[in-house]
Amino acid sequence: EAGVAQSPRYKIIEKRQSVAFWCNPISGHATLYWYQQILGQGPKLLIQFQNNGVVDDSQLPKDRFSAERLKGVDSTLKIQPAKLEDSAVYLCASSLSTALEQYFGPGTRLTVT
Amino acid sequence: DAKTTQPTSMDCAEGRAANLPCNHSTISGNEYVYWYRQIHSQGPQYIIHGLKNNETNEMASLIITEDRKSSTLILPHATLRDTAVYYCIVRVAGYNQGGKLIFGQGTELSVKP
Repeated sequence: EAGVAQSPRYKIIEKRQSVAFWCNPISGHATLYWYQQILGQGPKLLIQFQNNGVVDDSQLPKDRFSAERLKGVDSTLKIQPAKLEDSAVYLCASSLSTALEQYFGPGTRLTVT
Repeated sequence: DAKTTQPTSMDCAEGRAANLPCNHSTISGNEYVYWYRQIHSQGPQYIIHGLKNNETNEMASLIITEDRKSSTLILPHATLRDTAVYYCIVRVAGYNQGGKLIFGQGTELSVKP
């Protein structure tokens, strides 16, 4: 079975620019998550979708971050405008349901200069 | 904040058992113990989870104390490929209901030849 796909794998942008990340979850997985992982720390949940609805976005900095999951499959996470402190790995994960284990993609490493 | 305490780092000789401890003294009755690991430059990978009984799968064994305040993840025959950061997480995981995965700092396990 194919895993969670993410692109791009690496991105370098200047501060105040915008960036978008894409995630394709495992087929049939209703729940999709975006995490931010700053170097040396564990991943932190940004937003959780159940199908195409948002379940939890309490940790998402909504003044600059946005995410959508159209048609309940693929998802995009956008940052606009980026700040230096947004430099991190952005991980996408999916699960059959919120109760079951999550499968993570390889992540997108963002560097903001 | 993470509700678990783990040692920052551990070493293990290749071929020997790796025993990774975790304290979760404030665990609630409906919270499970989950273990994930993260190999360098990859997304976290689910290993095992349990409620109160000991569990074993093809990757590891999970031993939970009778009072559920601590647990140990056992990799029976560690290989160099088991070098990773291991995260112990407690979360609610009832029928069709799952709590957040809140990652702490984890234990950095180094398997040495």
